[in-house]
Amino acid sequence: QKEVEQDPGPLSVPEGAIVSLNCTYSNSAFQYFMWYRQYSRKGPELLMYTYSSGNKEDGRFTAQVDKSSKYISLFIRDSQPSDSATYLCAIFSYDKIIFGKGTRLHILP
Amino acid sequence: NAGVTQTPKFQVLKTGQSMTLQCAQDMNHEYMSWYRQDPGMGLRLIHYSVGAGITDQGEVPNGYNVSRSTTEDFPLRLLSAAPSQTSVYFCASSYGDGINEKLFFGSGTQLSVL
Repeated sequence: QKEVEQDPGPLSVPEGAIVSLNCTYSNSAFQYFMWYRQYSRKGPELLMYTYSSGNKEDGRFTAQVDKSSKYISLFIRDSQPSDSATYLCAIFSYDKIIFGKGTRLHILP
Repeated sequence: NAGVTQTPKFQVLKTGQSMTLQCAQDMNHEYMSWYRQDPGMGLRLIHYSVGAGITDQGEVPNGYNVSRSTTEDFPLRLLSAAPSQTSVYFCASSYGDGINEKLFFGSGTQLSVL
């Protein structure tokens, strides 16, 4: 079992919709959970970062962690065409950061 | 600040050739790493370093060497290029203090091995 699992998509939603992106992880010892956004032909950039279970909000973005289920989610409200990108979940595992495969998201105008 | 600088941006090699991908950061980050990104495979960790003089293998280290003689530089060496190494390579760095693990990425190197 891979340490981090993520559905690669693609996921297409209409503008204004709520987007839900998800990952599962295998090791209950993981503590730090991140979401990166990557535009085409660019390096990933950190979007959200959280230590603990529960929700963390930043503008239109909410990161959610459920440690009991080993499940992490990213919600995007009022989605915009500029949100079209690949979203990668990432987990800090002891001394390295491990990424999911990334989900390609298309927001349709 | 320049952040994380990768060179070259594009490279074409023939099978069996060797080359070095350069990575430099000016943020005094202890942690540096190399990833490769392939379609449908996401970002896979090749090698990483938690400080000068210390390196370790990631998920896909075969065919690659690294060294970390200074805090700023973390070059990735392809010993004998193979078509399977065709990929986009990203260098990334962070403070590595266990408190702030925000990774800063370079702009990538697109490598083709013929």
